[in-house]
Amino acid sequence: AQSVTQLDSQVPVFEEAPVELRCNYSSSVSVYLFWYVQYPNQGLQLLLKYLSGSTLVKGINGFEAEFNKSQTSFHLRKPSVHISDTAEYFCAVSGSGSEKLVFGKGTKLTVNP
Amino acid sequence: DAGITQSPRYKITETGRQVTLMCHQTWSHSYMFWYRQDLGHGLRLIYYSAAADITDKGEVPDGYVVSRSKTENFPLTLESATRSQTSVYFCASSEQGTSQPQHFGDGTRLSIL
Repeated sequence: AQSVTQLDSQVPVFEEAPVELRCNYSSSVSVYLFWYVQYPNQGLQLLLKYLSGSTLVKGINGFEAEFNKSQTSFHLRKPSVHISDTAEYFCAVSGSGSEKLVFGKGTKLTVNP
Repeated sequence: DAGITQSPRYKITETGRQVTLMCHQTWSHSYMFWYRQDLGHGLRLIYYSAAADITDKGEVPDGYVVSRSKTENFPLTLESATRSQTSVYFCASSEQGTSQPQHFGDGTRLSIL
């Protein structure tokens, strides 16, 4: 069965600093990878997805992620964060042919002024 | 507006009572999902449905019942609520299986006293 590990439960950063949120998944022949963001008292919103093709994926709000098959990682990055990026971020994975997504436990990003 | 709607947003009930959480989507998506979100556990899949009249168990199905008589509705019932079922519940839908992103409702915060 697929599994996802988000290596940091909390990441505090200062405004305008770069950030990387780390995600590793268990190996599979073919995977689909997603990052979602959750603002307080809201549901999850899709940030970006990797299905195939280019390993660098660009998403909304200036976020990007890089699929690294050899390291089974899908880290999320943003070169300069804003206060409004404060939220919880979830990495999710599914194997090709699977009907289900497996979520990591989330990383709470706090952007301080 | 098109989207996915959960009701109620907040619910307080007592142990032993039956409670039903509603989920309605207007996209005619084939797949629908129920998750619970708890601190330290991220999102865990309770049940999912690939189409009307087709449902299957997820990771934590015990104590829950689902039905899907119409494509757009996917209610979740706790037949005899327990305190361990206090959680935030999210419904999601997707056009196909997990190669497509899931769209989430805003959640139902359920407290069982």
